[in-house]
Amino acid sequence: AQRVTQPEKLLSVFKGAPVELKCNYSYSGSPELFWYVQYSRQRLQLLLRHISRESIKGFTADLNKGETSFHLKKPFAQEEDSAMYYCALAPFGNEKLTFGTGTRLTIIP
Amino acid sequence: DVKVTQSSRYLVKRTGEKVFLECVQDMDHENMFWYRQDPGLGLRLIYFSYDVKMKEKGDIPEGYSVSREKKERFSLILESASTNQTSMYLCASGWGSRKDTQYFGPGTPLTV
Repeated sequence: AQRVTQPEKLLSVFKGAPVELKCNYSYSGSPELFWYVQYSRQRLQLLLRHISRESIKGFTADLNKGETSFHLKKPFAQEEDSAMYYCALAPFGNEKLTFGTGTRLTIIP
Repeated sequence: DVKVTQSSRYLVKRTGEKVFLECVQDMDHENMFWYRQDPGLGLRLIYFSYDVKMKEKGDIPEGYSVSREKKERFSLILESASTNQTSMYLCASGWGSRKDTQYFGPGTPLTV
């Protein structure tokens, strides 16, 4: 069975400071990892996935298979980054997502 | 633009009542999902469906059932609502392919 761990329930960062949201996973096979974001009063939406290797809204995430981690990073936080962030895992070739418990990120002006 | 809609903006029900939550998607997606979202617990999968009339249990199916009679519509049923089913219910849909992701509805907050 797969598991996703987000150790921080709450994270506060000053505007302009670097952001790192931690995500660790356990899965015996080859996983696909995602970050989803939910802004206030908006629906949950995909932020990025590891196979795309893209940067969205300045965020990047690298899959580290050795450390089984998929941390989300941004060099300079902006106020509009305040939101709930969920890390999620899907087994290879499978759409069934397992979500972490989420991290609420607050950017302090 | 993918659109996933949920029938109710919010619901208040009494214990023991039968509750129907409906989800409709307009992108001809094969897969549809029901989650509940609780503070500190994240999203947990209740049921999912990969085709019409097909369904599979998720991680927490107890107390719930589902119905998918048409491709665009996926219903979640609480046979006898209980207070521990008070939650935010999210529906999602997606292609049966790794090239795309799941698209979420706005959520239905249910209070029992």
